[in-house]
Amino acid sequence: AQSVAQPEDQVNVAEGNPLTVKCTYSVSGNPYLFWYVQYPNRGLQFLLKYITGDNLVKGSYGFEAEFNKSQTSFHLKKPSALVSDSALYFCAVTLSGYSTLTFGKGTMLLVSP
Amino acid sequence: GAGVSQTPSNKVTEKGKYVELRCDPISGHTALYWYRQSLGQGPEFLIYFQGTGAADDSGLPNDRFFAVRPEGSVSTLKIQRTERGDSAVYLCASSSVGGEQFFGPGTRLTVL
Repeated sequence: AQSVAQPEDQVNVAEGNPLTVKCTYSVSGNPYLFWYVQYPNRGLQFLLKYITGDNLVKGSYGFEAEFNKSQTSFHLKKPSALVSDSALYFCAVTLSGYSTLTFGKGTMLLVSP
Repeated sequence: GAGVSQTPSNKVTEKGKYVELRCDPISGHTALYWYRQSLGQGPEFLIYFQGTGAADDSGLPNDRFFAVRPEGSVSTLKIQRTERGDSAVYLCASSSVGGEQFFGPGTRLTVL
């Protein structure tokens, strides 16, 4: 069985500071990893994915994530946070790109002005 | 182009009633997924269609839940004899072959 852990319910950061949202995963095999963002009353929006290759993946809105196989982690990062980044962030894993996703419980990111 | 659409956006029903939730995927996407998101939780997989057939329905919680995709496009999630515990946001997603999943805005189901 595959699982995702997002250890922080909430992350608080000041605008302009770097942010990190943590994610660790457990899967038998090579993972496909995703980050999605959810704004209030809206659906999940795809941010970025890791399939293979370079461990540092760049995505939408200046976000990036680093795949670390030895630590089974896929932390989301951004060098300079914006107030508009405040939202609920979900990490997800699957064993192939064409299969069902297993999500973490989400991390609320709050960026203060 | 148009994204994934879901109707209705909100559905309030009484315990024991039958409900249908509709999903219109992105045109050309052969894969369609249903997830359920309870308050404070991440989405949980319900069922996955490849074309017209259910490739994986292992996430359906019990036999009150059923989904169809008769023409390989629009899908309907059907819930019989609704219970208060069925209250959640039901999310639909679609994808092309090997592609990431694109999600609709969801249907918020409230069972009174």
